Amino acid sequence: TQLLEQSPQFLSIQEGENLTVYCNSSSVFSSLQWYRQEPGEGPVLLVTVVTGGEVKKLKRLTFQFGDARKDSSLHITAAQPGDTGLYLCAGESFNKFYFGSGTKLNVKP
Amino acid sequence: NAGVTQTPKFQVLKTGQSMTLQCAQDMNHEYMSWYRQDPGMGLRLIHYSVGAGITDQGEVPNGYNVSRSTTEDFPLRLLSAAPSQTSVYFCASTGQREQFFGPGTRLTVL
Repeated sequence: TQLLEQSPQFLSIQEGENLTVYCNSSSVFSSLQWYRQEPGEGPVLLVTVVTGGEVKKLKRLTFQFGDARKDSSLHITAAQPGDTGLYLCAGESFNKFYFGSGTKLNVKP
Repeated sequence: NAGVTQTPKFQVLKTGQSMTLQCAQDMNHEYMSWYRQDPGMGLRLIHYSVGAGITDQGEVPNGYNVSRSTTEDFPLRLLSAAPSQTSVYFCASTGQREQFFGPGTRLTVL
């Protein structure tokens, strides 16, 4: 089993604050993905990073893949209530996807 | 274009009963998979398939069977339900490293 650890597990912040979520593993992955999941729905893909050191930006969200392709971070600038949800990272290895346990984010207005 | 559909949305079983969770996709993807999601444990891979007629086990396959007779359909069978199988089940269809998830089936085993 290839373990992916996410931190923090829970995060409650005020609108306008910045935050960073981490996804760490001792395993190397071909790619790493970040998803957001709303209650009662399936996860929705936000981004896929493939190259070590890669940085991708999606509006106020910045994703980084570690140089060794073992870890990743998600940074949100000026969080909004619409960012509330469960954020999941998933590493791909030999056609299998391994998910972290998630970070539950609550952004208060 | 419906994406990934799952039925039923909710199901309650008694211990020992069997049932099949249905999953279908209309994106012509070869790769499909089943996950279960439990509180605090993220999604865990049960079984996956890389094409019609080809299936393989994931992290937690015990108690579940799958088959893939067509590209579109990937049903998950619970042979003899146990309370430990109470969970939310998601089917996913993968293309170009992007996984598309269905809405999930919430299963309770009493």
